[in-house]
Amino acid sequence: GQQLNQSPQSMFIQEGEDVSMNCTSSSIFNTWLWYKQDPGEGPVLLIALYKAGELTSNGRLTAQFGITRKDSFLNISASIPSDVGIYFCAGWGSQGNLIFGKGTKLSVKP
Amino acid sequence: NAGVMQNPRHLVRRRGQEARLRCSPMKGHSHVYWYRQLPEEGLKFMVYLQKENIIDESGMPKERFSAEFPKEGPSILRIQQVVRGDSAAYFCASSPDRALDGYTFGSGTRLTVV
Repeated sequence: GQQLNQSPQSMFIQEGEDVSMNCTSSSIFNTWLWYKQDPGEGPVLLIALYKAGELTSNGRLTAQFGITRKDSFLNISASIPSDVGIYFCAGWGSQGNLIFGKGTKLSVKP
Repeated sequence: NAGVMQNPRHLVRRRGQEARLRCSPMKGHSHVYWYRQLPEEGLKFMVYLQKENIIDESGMPKERFSAEFPKEGPSILRIQQVVRGDSAAYFCASSPDRALDGYTFGSGTRLTVV
């Protein structure tokens, strides 16, 4: 089946630092998404990418859809304490469901 | 305009009991999706339903699990004869159609089997 590999598994950074995480797939996705999950809550969509090579920003967040359609990265600039959480990449699957990576847990030290 | 409502938020069941999880989609959404999240894992798709129809149940375990989305009322995910391995967070999402626009997750039900 389709699988997404997300790295790193966890990150510990200082407030103000930039963050980069990425996601690779064994198969092609036509749509990539990045979600954030806070403890005890459901995932919330941050950025959706629809075209290979597309670079999209949402405030301090920037994400790119890889040319091969098998990878994506998410950057967070100038991190702040409320960026803490788990970040998931997801691909829109062939049957109309979302396929998630295992997540990158971000911790920010003030 | 309330979001996707799931209840209960937390559910504790003894081994062998039944668990019933409810999901009320956003107003105007007729497509419902159920996902399961084990600790330290991403969400895994279970089932996709429209009103009164199961569209895709490729992620549902073959036994003990069932889902419905009746004409009136919330979608229900039912787990019969629960086992410890069923302990997880179960999330529901809804959308107005089979597309990503408006695809929204609820806050989940955390099932603990003791």
